[in-house]
Amino acid sequence: DVKVTQSSRYLVKRTGEKVFLECVQDMDHENMFWYRQDPGLGLRLIYFSYDVKMKEKGDIPEGYSVSREKKERFSLILESASTNQTSMYLCASSLSQEGAIYGYTFGSGTRLTVV
Amino acid sequence: LAKTTQPISMDSYEGQEVNITCSHNNIATNDYITWYQQFPSQGPRFIIQGYKTKVTNEVASLFIPADRKSSTLSLPRVSLSDTAVYYCLTGGGNKLTFGTGTQLKVEL
Repeated sequence: DVKVTQSSRYLVKRTGEKVFLECVQDMDHENMFWYRQDPGLGLRLIYFSYDVKMKEKGDIPEGYSVSREKKERFSLILESASTNQTSMYLCASSLSQEGAIYGYTFGSGTRLTVV
Repeated sequence: LAKTTQPISMDSYEGQEVNITCSHNNIATNDYITWYQQFPSQGPRFIIQGYKTKVTNEVASLFIPADRKSSTLSLPRVSLSDTAVYYCLTGGGNKLTFGTGTQLKVEL
């Protein structure tokens, strides 16, 4: 089974702090994604990456950046945390085949609280 | 924007079969259809994936009609532990579209 591991289940950070959320997958998937999930808003895509050192903005990239230096690792960075970034953050990875993305696998999530 | 809709909630009893339908009218030719289960404060867990007709695994079946504009997740004999939110997913890359989610509640 593909494993997508997020480094922390729960985090509490102060406003203005720089926050790193780490995600590692162990099945050589090309694609990796970061989402946030909020009640009533569903899952919203923040950033995604199709390859090492490659990144593309999703629907809500403001206030976030990402890093993908190695194929298995995709980091989400909150440059200066704010209370409106309190949320559940989900990492996912997937394969590509003939232009289609499939086999989407999510991590367990990181519940971030910014105080 | 593509719309992927599901019933907001469903109630069932232990031992019953539950069918949850997802409507995805704008599904693209290459898109797979995937279903997930999510418990509170956890990431979505993969249940089943298909492209057309019928797919079955040890926990569920997925029925996809010829036009692929909808799909139905079938859980054969639910138990209390199946109480969760179920999402369908279509698309790829930044065009992934999650369904609105269905809260399934299973009672004794």
